[in-house]
Amino acid sequence: GQSLEQPSEVTAVEGAIVQINCTYQTSGFYGLSWYQQHDGGAPTFLSYNALDGLEETGRFSSFLSRSDSYGYLLLQELQMKDSASYFCAVRDPNTGGFKTIFGAGTRLFVKA
Amino acid sequence: DAMVIQNPRYQVTQFGKPVTLSCSQTLNHNVMYWYQQKSSQAPKLLFHYYDKDFNNEADTPDNFQSRRPNTSFCFLDIRSPGLGDTAMYLCATSQGAGANVLTFGAGSRLTVL
Repeated sequence: GQSLEQPSEVTAVEGAIVQINCTYQTSGFYGLSWYQQHDGGAPTFLSYNALDGLEETGRFSSFLSRSDSYGYLLLQELQMKDSASYFCAVRDPNTGGFKTIFGAGTRLFVKA
Repeated sequence: DAMVIQNPRYQVTQFGKPVTLSCSQTLNHNVMYWYQQKSSQAPKLLFHYYDKDFNNEADTPDNFQSRRPNTSFCFLDIRSPGLGDTAMYLCATSQGAGANVLTFGAGSRLTVL
């Protein structure tokens, strides 16, 4: 089966940098995605890594190491509005890639 | 703006009383999904449509059914809701089988009393 592990909670202060880790176990691999979800809201896509290395999009960066089955989301210059849950996700190769499996989510608290 | 719209946003129903949630999209995506998300948990896929082909997850209860009358609309029917079906129901879309991005609607929060 496919599984993902990420910390349940992370707390950081405004202006700081925070890293949210994700390790995965899959029988095949299409890449690692990250989604942000504010309380009561819908998940929104943040980033996708298919190859090893760092992808940067503004204040957010995402890293992947396929040999370690590991990735992380890096948030810089934290703002209060970044308080949300962050999910890493992979596509299940057993379903032809249709099924996206999400980790349990990391709840980020940003303090003033 | 192209988007995914879910109705109703909030629904309260009684135990055993059928409920239908709707999803419409203007993205013209050919794949539509229904996810169930319980409090503080990850979204869990219930089923998806690839065009008109329906694909049910093995662990989706028979109580949950779906219809997709055309490309733009998809419905989730819960025939006899139980207390354990209280959750957020998320509709999502993607273009093609290999899409890496899901576009979600704002969700329908269902409470079963």
